[in-house]
Amino acid sequence: DAGVTQSPTHLIKTRGQQVTLRCSPKSGHDTVSWYQQALGQGPQFIFQYYEEEERQRGNFPDRFSGHQFPNYSSELNVNALLLGDSALYLCASSPTGTGSNEKLFFGSGTQLSVL
Amino acid sequence: QKEVEQNSGPLSVPEGAIASLNCTYSDRGSQSFFWYRQYSGKSPELIMFIYSNGDKEDGRFTAQLNKASQYVSLLIRDSQPSDSATYLCAAVEYGNKLVFGAGTILRVKS
Repeated sequence: DAGVTQSPTHLIKTRGQQVTLRCSPKSGHDTVSWYQQALGQGPQFIFQYYEEEERQRGNFPDRFSGHQFPNYSSELNVNALLLGDSALYLCASSPTGTGSNEKLFFGSGTQLSVL
Repeated sequence: QKEVEQNSGPLSVPEGAIASLNCTYSDRGSQSFFWYRQYSGKSPELIMFIYSNGDKEDGRFTAQLNKASQYVSLLIRDSQPSDSATYLCAAVEYGNKLVFGAGTILRVKS
């Protein structure tokens, strides 16, 4: 079992650019959540996808958007990058149903640097 | 915005001692709480979860929950240098959203 895989591992962009991050969930998981973790902070919830729809969203601007594909994989898109978007972006997958948070697994993350 | 508060530390304990990590939360509606360990440059990994008031033990780890005081703690017995990491406390908000604290840095000195 490959677990949750994210790509790329590192990314450098300049202000104003757009970026797409990718995530493949753990086998058997159908729900994907994205978190942003700034240096020295805990992860902050961006949004969650289930059945190819955004099910829940955190306090992030519309510049942050996502998508889930029929195979449950997901993308996070960030437009008009700001310096403050520099962070570790974590994808987490879980199965639906009772106790899903107990089965939440994080990927290794994508480290995004905005210059 | 519901909040989870943790002392950032670092908390330094000698090898073999008990490490006590604390967390408070603002949302009285939260019912589920999680402790994650995160090594530098790595992703968070789940250590324990607790739903009911009282203590829950798993090996060297004990989670404690007091809903009246909105307080969660994690005790690590017989601390080892390999326990040195950042410990994240998280509460579940409406739906499946996890709200994390900023984490407490633990340093176990040999």
